[in-house]
This record gives sequence, C-alpha cells and structure tokens, in this order.
Amino acid sequence: ETGVTQTPRHLVMGMTNKKSLKCEQHLGHNAMYWYKQSAKKPLELMFVYSLEERVENNSVPSRFSPECPNSSHLFLHLHTLQPEDSALYLCASSQDLGRGWTDTQYFGPGTRLTVL
Amino acid sequence: GQQVMQIPQYQHVQEGEDFTTYCNSSTTLSNIQWYKQRPGGHPVFLIQLVKSGEVKKQKRLTFQFGEAKKNSSLHITATQTTDVGTYFCAGSRAAGNTGKLIFGQGTTLQVKP
Repeated sequence: ETGVTQTPRHLVMGMTNKKSLKCEQHLGHNAMYWYKQSAKKPLELMFVYSLEERVENNSVPSRFSPECPNSSHLFLHLHTLQPEDSALYLCASSQDLGRGWTDTQYFGPGTRLTVL
Repeated sequence: GQQVMQIPQYQHVQEGEDFTTYCNSSTTLSNIQWYKQRPGGHPVFLIQLVKSGEVKKQKRLTFQFGEAKKNSSLHITATQTTDVGTYFCAGSRAAGNTGKLIFGQGTTLQVKP
C-alpha cells in the first residue's frame, strides 16, 4: 500500500458520458500527477500540480479536465472521450517537485478506463 | 523533445540467468529513477541515481548511472520468478526542470522456472 488511492478502479463509459476519476494521497505530499498508460506507449505525463497549482499541462486534449481542490486530492474529469482514450490512468504524488531533480513518485493502483 | 529510450522491450530468461536493461536519454539528465511494475500492478519506485558514474546495489539488483548522465542500466543477477514485471527508467532533464519525469518504454521481464 503506497498511501495513494484511486477510485474507481475500473470504469466503462460511452463516448457521450461524463465521469470523474478521483485520487487521494495520505502522505502529506505537495505535488500530484496524472499519467496515462496505454498498451503501446510509455507512461505519458498528463498534468502536474504543485501546492494545488497546475504547473504542467502536457498538451492534453480538453476533454480531460483536471482539478486539484487541495494538496491531498486530485480529480480528472472526463467528457466526450474517444475509444483511443481507453487506458490505465495513474495518479502519483511526490513530496515536492524537487530542486533541480524530481522527487520519488508514489503511484496509486490506477483506474482502468474503457471507452465504448 | 526529450526522449528516454529503453532496450530491450521484452526479455525472456531462464530462472537463474542474469538480466540487463539499458536506458538512454537524448539529453543530459539531472537524475534517473527506476521503477518496477508487476503484472496488473502499478509502478513502484526502486531507486534514484544522481551522481555521474554512480553505482548502487539492492541485493541482486545493480544500478548504474553513466559518466555523461545520459544513460543508465539495471542488472539483475540470478533472476527469480519474483523478478517478473516491467522495469521502467525515468529521468528529468538537467536544465529547467519542472518536475517532469520522462519514462522509458519499459523492459518486460519474463522468467521461466
């Protein structure tokens, strides 16, 4: 157990649905991340938040909308997704962004998303 | 943009054989991290290397960071079935770091008992 939880663990949605993924970290960390992991690509960083402020938006389509209401919670709001968005969505946290390097990241178990 | 390449993509070994995965970056890295993801699991941090030429060991695992800080390797001695999984390297660039880790594609290790 890494101290990072994600819900739901599995999600099936149609292309017209709106859903949200939730991540919660119990580690007292200041930075949180969303990654996408699909079968044929490496881990893709989507968003980075530091102290609830978004510091990185890695050219992610607007159908993905992150929200970080406090340093312990991170959401990913989904709407009008495409089948190619089906993937494992991983949340991670780290103590801070680091000074000149990147702190160790602790990953949650992920949400397996299938878009029909 | 910055890329981190990892080879091989897949490796099948007989239990007891050694295994090595290599990681190469197109740019100089400030640090490199290694993660292991078991089948059906999530990436779990193994180690971080920061210094040029650094070598660290964890039991049967040996991690190296190249002198130029652009490459790294993970070597497992005498593999066991518990070593099965995908090993990822991840680096952040030396200049203008914004907390962005670039992951390699991973090397998936299968161990035959």
